[in-house]
Formats: sequence, C-alpha cells, structure tokens
Amino acid sequence: NAGVMQNPRHLVRRRGQEARLRCSPVKGHSHVYWYRQLPEEGLKFMVYLQKENIIDESGMPKERFSAEFPKEGPSILRIQQVVRGDSAAYFCASSFGPIGELFFGEGSRLTVL
Amino acid sequence: GDSVTQMEGPVTLSEEACLTINCTYTATGYPSLFWYVQYPGEGLQLLLKATKADDKGSNKGFEATYRKETTSFHLEKGSVQVSDSAVYFCALSSGRDDKIIFGKGTRLHILP
Repeated sequence: NAGVMQNPRHLVRRRGQEARLRCSPVKGHSHVYWYRQLPEEGLKFMVYLQKENIIDESGMPKERFSAEFPKEGPSILRIQQVVRGDSAAYFCASSFGPIGELFFGEGSRLTVL
Repeated sequence: GDSVTQMEGPVTLSEEACLTINCTYTATGYPSLFWYVQYPGEGLQLLLKATKADDKGSNKGFEATYRKETTSFHLEKGSVQVSDSAVYFCALSSGRDDKIIFGKGTRLHILP
C-alpha cells in the first residue's frame, strides 16, 4: 500500500515534553499538508510544504510548533513543550501538485497528560 | 478570507432514507469544491469534487452540484445505508494560496 503513512498512530506525552510526528507522503507526491483535528471540531489547516520549502504556515502557532519536509525522508511536525491543549489528532495529507486531490494518512493522535 | 459552512450534526437517519447535508462557501475567485468522508478511526478520503459552476460531482450514490448563484455545494443521496455512517467534510480550494479549507464536518448516523 503506497498511501500516506503517519507514525506514531498514538503518542502520549507529559506537559513540557516534545512530540515529533512523521509523515511519508504517497510516492511521487511533493506537496505535504498538516491539519489538526480537535474533538468535535473540523480540520484546521496548519502548514503546507513542498520539498525543503515551507509554502504556507499561516495556520501554525507561532511558538513551539515547527514543520519540515527535507529532501530525503518524511515530513516532520514537531511540537516543543507540549501543553494539554495540544491534545488532538494530527493529519498529514499529500498531493501530486498544488490543489490536487489530497490523500490523507490515518492520523497521529497526541494525548498530553 | 475563504470559508466553508456546513450543517451541524449529528444527523441520524433510518436506512433507505433520503440525505441532504448543506454546505455553503465564501471565496474570492472561482474555487474548486470537494466532499471528503472520514470513517471511524481513519483519515479522510475524497468522496467527490466539482471544479466549476454547474458541475455535478458524484460517487457511491452521492451527488453534489456546484451552485455559484447560491454559493452552495449540498451533498445528497437518495437512499442511505448503514455503511454510510461517517463524518462528512465540505471543502474548497481557492487556488490563490494552494490550500484546502474544510468545514467543521457533519457526523451522520444511519440506523438499520
């Protein structure tokens, strides 16, 4: 199955720790998007990346959150010094080109104790 | 900015009932419109899309028509099944900034 792979599927962290979420896009896709889904809420856009470039990070909190999509390897969403409000499902999606069909991973569910 | 508004859920229907989930949008320019579906414990999957006014997207018995005059893209199905139980997201892509904006989602429960 060459779909979008996210890991870990579930992650538990204590307040103040770091969370690192990985996303391997569909083979051949160079566009990656990260979305956050809070309980009973919709998907909120966080960041859009192409290989080695952040195209749009307008949905990402200015502090503690960062994302990268290196030339080799998966895209990484990093949350430093996690707080309880960071508990959510984080979905990665990829597309072949801009505004193409998005293919979603199964999500990484972060729980902050 | 661009936005999508869809009806609040949950929506509960009996099997074989008729379904409509309303979706309206605000966008500058000419967006593409999408419906995505999320089954329990899974990521979102594209259900159907329409890229210009009066286009009708259809898939798995679901349909939605791009109505520019009413800025709407309502999802319809004539006879729902228990397996249609999921969360449905309306979305748009304006093309200006290459990201897709999602509505809050509508949870659908179909009773046997």
